[in-house]
Amino acid sequence: DAKTTQPPSMDCAEGRAANLPCNHSTISGNEYVYWYRQIHSQGPQYIIHGLKNNETNEMASLIITEDRKSSTLILPHATLRDTAVYYCIVRVANSWGKLQFGAGTQVVVTP
Amino acid sequence: EAGVAQSPRYKIIEKRQSVAFWCNPISGHATLYWYQQILGQGPKLLIQFQNNGVVDDSQLPKDRFSAERLKGVDSTLKIQPAKLEDSAVYLCASSSRTSGGGSYEQYFGPGTRLTVT
Repeated sequence: DAKTTQPPSMDCAEGRAANLPCNHSTISGNEYVYWYRQIHSQGPQYIIHGLKNNETNEMASLIITEDRKSSTLILPHATLRDTAVYYCIVRVANSWGKLQFGAGTQVVVTP
Repeated sequence: EAGVAQSPRYKIIEKRQSVAFWCNPISGHATLYWYQQILGQGPKLLIQFQNNGVVDDSQLPKDRFSAERLKGVDSTLKIQPAKLEDSAVYLCASSSRTSGGGSYEQYFGPGTRLTVT
């Protein structure tokens, strides 16, 4: 399975955009990039996923570079409730849905 | 739509004792997962069920951990005997899609925090 690299932590001011980077330089052509987040004392929550095109939903936007070796999760207007650990995960196709979590990025949104 | 339910939320036991965790997935979800999350780390898959059959249990310590999913709905994860290093949060998740490419999404329960003393 391809592995991902994320910064261990980052801070963001409330109301500003939070840009979370992720490197996945060994990703294969049929592997997807998924983002989950985990708020303290809760289970992980799905945010968004993509293969090669940029994606947007009500929670965030996902920007994937043309060579697919890195991606950025964008929280357009961070709120205090967005404080969480964010996981970037590469999913192997036809792997029966298995997710391999790394350590993630601890994001702290400050007033 | 009700989410994934887990119980108990917290459990404290002594080493060498046994413990069991229960999970009720989202209605209609065929796939159920148990993850172990040690403090400061991301969740690690222990076992995955498709209906009531095991798809992946490669990281389940089978000498002490066991899991079952009778009738393809609820699931129970058991540890016997527990060790100090089993202290962790045990997360249950479910999803409605399994194989092939395309989208799927895992819904997680709140987890059971186990402390082994």
